[in-house]
Parts: sequence; C-alpha cells; structure tokens
Amino acid sequence: QKEVEQDPGPLSVPEGAIVSLNCTYSNSAFQYFMWYRQYSRKGPELLMYTYSSGNKEDGRFTAQVDKSSKYISLFIRDSQPSDSATYLCAMGKAAGNKLTFGGGTRVLVKP
Amino acid sequence: ETGVTQSPTHLIKTRGQQVTLRCSSQSGHNTVSWYQQALGQGPQFIFQYYREEENGRGNFPPRFSGLQFPNYSSELNVNALELDDSALYLCASSLGSTSGSYEQYFGPGTRLTVT
Repeated sequence: QKEVEQDPGPLSVPEGAIVSLNCTYSNSAFQYFMWYRQYSRKGPELLMYTYSSGNKEDGRFTAQVDKSSKYISLFIRDSQPSDSATYLCAMGKAAGNKLTFGGGTRVLVKP
Repeated sequence: ETGVTQSPTHLIKTRGQQVTLRCSSQSGHNTVSWYQQALGQGPQFIFQYYREEENGRGNFPPRFSGLQFPNYSSELNVNALELDDSALYLCASSLGSTSGSYEQYFGPGTRLTVT
C-alpha cells in the first residue's frame, strides 16, 4: 500500500465548474501538506500549502486538511481551460524534509 | 529573485554510461532536494543536501550520488545507467529545516532517456 493515494483521473469538467481533488494517506506523522500543479513535461508549481488540520483559501483555490481522517482536498472554483494539468498532492513529516507525493490527478477543463 | 534552474533540459544516454545533472537553487535557499519522476507517476525522493551535507536519502541505490557546492548549487550523478533510470529528474530548493519553512520550489527538470 502506498503512503499517499490519489485518483489518477482523468477528471473532465466544463469551464466554470468546481474541480474537487483529494488524497488519502496512511502515515499519521505527516505534518504539512502541499498541492502542486504540473503541466506536461514541466516541473511542479507550488499552489497551496497548509500545516496540520484546517482550511486555507487563496484566490480560486481552497485547500482542506482533515488529519483525523487522513484526508486532504483541493477545490478550484470557476475553473478555466488553463487549469488543465496534473495536480499532485505532497506531504512531509518535518519542515524542510523530504516530500512524499501522490501519483497525481489529471484534470481537463473543457471550454 | 531567480527561480530554480536545471541543466541540461534533455539528455540521451546509453545503458551503462554515467550522467551528471545540475541544479541552481533559488536565491537565498540553502537546501536542495532531488526527485525522480517516472512517466505518469508522482516524484520520488532521491536525497537532500543541506549546507553541503547529505541530509536524508530515499530508497535509491548507491550509484545515485550527489554534491552540493558552497553557493548551494547541486549535482546529481548516476553511474551504470539502467533503462529504468529513464525519467524526469527534478531539483527542488528550500530554506531548510532550521528555518521552520517547508515550501519546496521545483525547477523545470531534466528529462533523461536511457537507451
């Protein structure tokens, strides 16, 4: 069993819809959580990070962490075709230490 | 402020050869981490360097080695290349564990193809 599980998709939504992404994890030692966006053949771009449980909002993006359920989510409001990419969740046990990634979810926003 | 840069962009090598990949960290960052991303998968942690010392290693064999220089740039060396080493190699820089900061910023990657 992988430490971090993520549905590979693809997830196809119409432009303007809410995109809902999530990851589950098995190791309760994870303390901080990140979401990255990766376009084809490019490096991952940091979108959101949260420490411990709770919600965080930044523009069209909302990240949620539920440590009791070992479940994290990312919501993208008013999705645009430019949001079409692979979204990776990542988590770490100590500040500045290694990140453990999910396998990524491919998202396609159709105009 | 400059971001993370990596060179070369693409590389084709033959099985058994050796390769060196390079990374320049973001301005002000003293920690560099290397990841391997196979096609269709998430990145896998190779190792991390903090102030020129190895600071953690993932489940990769010793033929994967690295260096960090006084200016915090870094190299990843892979000896005796195997076909399965074909992947996107990503470098990420961060402020390091003593800063209490945990964001890691990635470069564009080096795509290695082993034939």
